[in-house]
Amino acid sequence: NAGVTQTPKFRILKIGQSMTLQCTQDMNHNYMYWYRQDPGMGLKLIYYSVGAGITDKGEVPNGYNVSRSTTEDFPLRLELAAPSQTSVYFCASSLMTGNSPLHFGNGTRLTVT
Amino acid sequence: DAKTTQPPSMDCAEGRAANLPCNHSTISGNEYVYWYRQIHSQGPQYIIHGLKNNETNEMASLIITEDRKSSTLILPHATLRDTAVYYCIVRVEYNNNDMRFGAGTRLTVKP
Repeated sequence: NAGVTQTPKFRILKIGQSMTLQCTQDMNHNYMYWYRQDPGMGLKLIYYSVGAGITDKGEVPNGYNVSRSTTEDFPLRLELAAPSQTSVYFCASSLMTGNSPLHFGNGTRLTVT
Repeated sequence: DAKTTQPPSMDCAEGRAANLPCNHSTISGNEYVYWYRQIHSQGPQYIIHGLKNNETNEMASLIITEDRKSSTLILPHATLRDTAVYYCIVRVEYNNNDMRFGAGTRLTVKP
């Protein structure tokens, strides 16, 4: 299994541009998550999904949108990029059972200038 | 979820045991203690979790005090590859959306 795969690894955006961060997992996990990590800080939850067609906001959802049309994919959309969205973005997945651990991808490093 | 308190940084000699403390004095009876680590800029990696009994797996041991207000993650024979940021998290079972990562402890294993 490849696990959780994120693309691209790096991206530079200009203010106001839009982009989609891709995330796919091949473990048949029901739950998927998007986190952001600012320099020297912990991770903050942006959005999560408990299954195809179901998404919900996390701690810091403003400026982002998500969709979950399949079990495997959970893309994160930035519509109008702002410098405050410069961060490293991590996607994760887990089984639906109570204590299953999160499996993380290796992140997308985004810079907005 | 209960908040956790961890020291910002620790050092450990290679080959020695690394003992990483975590305080979670307001933990509720149904909250589990989880440990993850993040090596360099990679995605966090699950290490271990427990409710009230001590737990051990191939990576580490987790010691939870009897009153559950604190815990210690033990890496029995630290190697240079264990240099990472270690996160202690408490959350209720089934609430993966409440997995809150704080600043963690930066462990540096020295030769």
